Amino acid sequence: QVRLVQSGSELKKPGASVKVSCKASGYTFNKYAINWVRQAPGQGLEWMGWINTNTGNPGYAQGFTGRFVFSVDTSVSTAYLQINSLKADDSAVYFCAREDLWAGTFDSGQGTLVSVSS
Amino acid sequence: EFVLTQSPGTLSLSPGERATLSCRASQSVISNYVAWYQQKAGQAPRLLIYGASSRTTGTPDRFSGSGSGTDFTLTISRLEPEDFAVYYCQKYGRSPYTFGQGTNVEIK
Repeated sequence: QVRLVQSGSELKKPGASVKVSCKASGYTFNKYAINWVRQAPGQGLEWMGWINTNTGNPGYAQGFTGRFVFSVDTSVSTAYLQINSLKADDSAVYFCAREDLWAGTFDSGQGTLVSVSS
Repeated sequence: EFVLTQSPGTLSLSPGERATLSCRASQSVISNYVAWYQQKAGQAPRLLIYGASSRTTGTPDRFSGSGSGTDFTLTISRLEPEDFAVYYCQKYGRSPYTFGQGTNVEIK
């Protein structure tokens, strides 16, 4: 079955970087885009952007340019989210998801909690 | 900027009642590319409806989506205990895939 397994919780200091992984299995990795979604504590879902797993070409939503980097390693069917120069308000749960909404597909990982605190 | 506004913010209902959730877009949504998600506390979002009205495999038929242009609705015909959750609409098709702010369906 389709599974997306994300890396574990992270506690980082302001100014540090974090890299969240999202390992896919149960389907052909490069046939579906990977979306990234942020959810701050007690808040709603925020679409961060997506990455074309075939070309590696990312697209970022407004507010997620510059410090946020999406990447993939197709050899291990894994997508990555790197956040640089962390700030306190980056503290959130980050979800990756296999997506093809035209076909009704959105399969999410379990989420990764990133906490930023001095 | 494309904005999706969901109403009401909170819906307090009893099991067995009908729930009607609204999602209004600031601009017309191309090809009615609207999706609806359910999220329970501590869980990932689950896709229920895509293309405004198509149920995903496994979505019970008490869930239905409708609408076009700028106004979309998710209806739960008879609430089951497991349906109490937060629901989000999202537009897709052209980036950004904006989410609405969510409607919390709570037990009255």
